[in-house]
Amino acid sequence: QQQVKQSPQSLIVQKGGISIINCAYENTAFDYFPWYQQFPGKGPALLIAIRPDVSEKKEGRFTISFNKSAKQFSLHIMDSQPGDSATYFCAAGYGGATNKLIFGTGTLLAVQP
Amino acid sequence: GAVVSQHPSWVICKSGTSVKIECRSLDFQATTMFWYRQFPKQSLMLMATSNEGSKATYEQGVEKDKFLINHASLTLSTLTVTSAHPEDSSFYICSANKAGPLTEQFFGPGTRLTVL
Repeated sequence: QQQVKQSPQSLIVQKGGISIINCAYENTAFDYFPWYQQFPGKGPALLIAIRPDVSEKKEGRFTISFNKSAKQFSLHIMDSQPGDSATYFCAAGYGGATNKLIFGTGTLLAVQP
Repeated sequence: GAVVSQHPSWVICKSGTSVKIECRSLDFQATTMFWYRQFPKQSLMLMATSNEGSKATYEQGVEKDKFLINHASLTLSTLTVTSAHPEDSSFYICSANKAGPLTEQFFGPGTRLTVL
């Protein structure tokens, strides 16, 4: 119930291509779905986040697609660049007082020049 | 902005000693702070949630007597790893929520702990 499943574990994309990472959750009480980018030895940084009342959110080259009925959401990185090479984590959170986040297992993205 | 700092950024200690890690929200007041542990090539695992002025809430399987959390003010939380052992070696990351209804967490840069 608490798990957030993320795939693929690793991804290699050519420069200029589209990177797609998928996540699935079980608990319908989650109401906040962020994506984080993490470089080695650094803390995660928020990329983009969505709430379940919308099906898509776009910020620059990053788009979240959200399917509430399927309990799935995905991150699309358009025009992928070598600088995007990092580990990406999806997460699901509860609103309210605790604001706890449950993280996916991570995807190591390598964008080849 | 919303900046969270951690100190130290890395620490090496001998087995059996205690280590304190500080987490500060620099430009906002944090009603809630979170502590995570991340082993190499793994995800972030939530250890505990702390609210200013009250006891921390620990996740299942996390020893509260080993990982002492103090949230003394709205800008500072500390994690003390007591009687550290080599298996406690990990990357410890804190995050903080701004006061208000938003759920966004702002993460610190992490602290690399190595126990010899």
